[in-house]
Formats: sequence, structure tokens, C-alpha cells
Amino acid sequence: ETGVTQSPTHLIKTRGQQVTLRCSSQSGHNTVSWYQQALGQGPQFIFQYYREEENGRGNFPPRFSGLQFPNYSSELNVNALELDDSALYLCASSLGQNYTFGSGTRLTVV
Amino acid sequence: RKEVEQDPGPFNVPEGATVAFNCTYSNSASQSFFWYRQDCRKEPKLLMSVYSSGNEDGRFTAQLNRASQYISLLIRDSKLSDSATYLCVVNNWNTGNQFYFGTGTSLTVIP
Repeated sequence: ETGVTQSPTHLIKTRGQQVTLRCSSQSGHNTVSWYQQALGQGPQFIFQYYREEENGRGNFPPRFSGLQFPNYSSELNVNALELDDSALYLCASSLGQNYTFGSGTRLTVV
Repeated sequence: RKEVEQDPGPFNVPEGATVAFNCTYSNSASQSFFWYRQDCRKEPKLLMSVYSSGNEDGRFTAQLNRASQYISLLIRDSKLSDSATYLCVVNNWNTGNQFYFGTGTSLTVIP
């Protein structure tokens, strides 16, 4: 059974650029959630995808968008990057309440 | 008001000590409760679920008080390997299967 994998592990972008982060869900999990964790904070919910549809969204602006594919993998896209977008981005796949986190993508915006 | 509030610490305790972490949540409709452990620069990992009856897993005991909307974690006989950040997590199925995390409580166990 494979776990949740995220890519890339680290990324440096310039303010104003766009970024795409990727997540492969754990086998059998049909739901993917994305979280942003700033330094010294707990993870904050960005949005969730279930069967390729957005199924809930946190308090993040529209420049944060996502996709889920038929194999349940997912992408997080962030446009017009700002310095405050620097954070650890965590993907979690789930089936019911069985929640598994990936190891995250550390994004630095300079 | 935040969904989940935790004392960020840090807690610095000697090996063998007993330490307790507390957490409060704002949504009385919350249904599921967890403690996660997060090591430095790693992803959160489930430590234990929390039930109204209280539950124990070795040196770890978790308790839930629904009336006070309060969750606790007790660690007995602390080990150096317990050093980490402990995140209180709350879930409400009625608003989608999203988790609400506290800011985390930092624990350092000192030799």
C-alpha cells in the first residue's frame, strides 16, 4: 500500500509567479485535502476535492485553485505568488475518517 | 474566534516527567477529535483519537469533555523521543471532512 506522495519537496519562486504542487493519494482514498502551514502555526485548510469536485473551501483567495484527477491525484495551483505564501503545503488523502498526510512541499517565495 | 485554541508552550520537561496539554474548541457540533504529533519539518502524524470515555495508549492518555469543549493529552514518563509539536485536531462531518488544527504545543524533553 503506497502512502501519499507530494512533489516537489522544496521549491523557490519569485513574487508574482505561479506554482503547481502535486499530490498522489493513498491507494483506495477518494478524497484529497490541501493545507497550508506557515512557520509556527497549525495547518490551515485550503480546500478539499472529492470525486474531482471541490467539496469545501477554507478562507483562501481565488488565486488558490485546485484539481482532482480520475485516479484521485490532485494539484494545487497558486497564482500571483506573494511573500506570505511561503509555507509548508500539506496534502492529505482520506477515505472516511482515515486521513493520511504527505510529507509536504516547502514553498519559499522571494 | 479560532476553531481550536492551544497553548503554544514551549514546554521543557526533564526525562521521566509527566506533562499535560490542553486544547479548547469553539464548535459544539464537532464530532471527532484527535491528537497529532509533528516532528520538526515533517508532516503531522496521528498520535491518537480522543473519545468521550477517555482513552489510553501506553504512556499517553487523552480525554474529551464535550460540555466544556475541552480536550487534553497526558504524557507520563516522558522520553527524549517525545520531543515534538503536538497538534489538537477537531473535525465536523456536517461541514465536510476538513480538519481544524490548533497552532500546536511544543514539547522538549531534556536529559
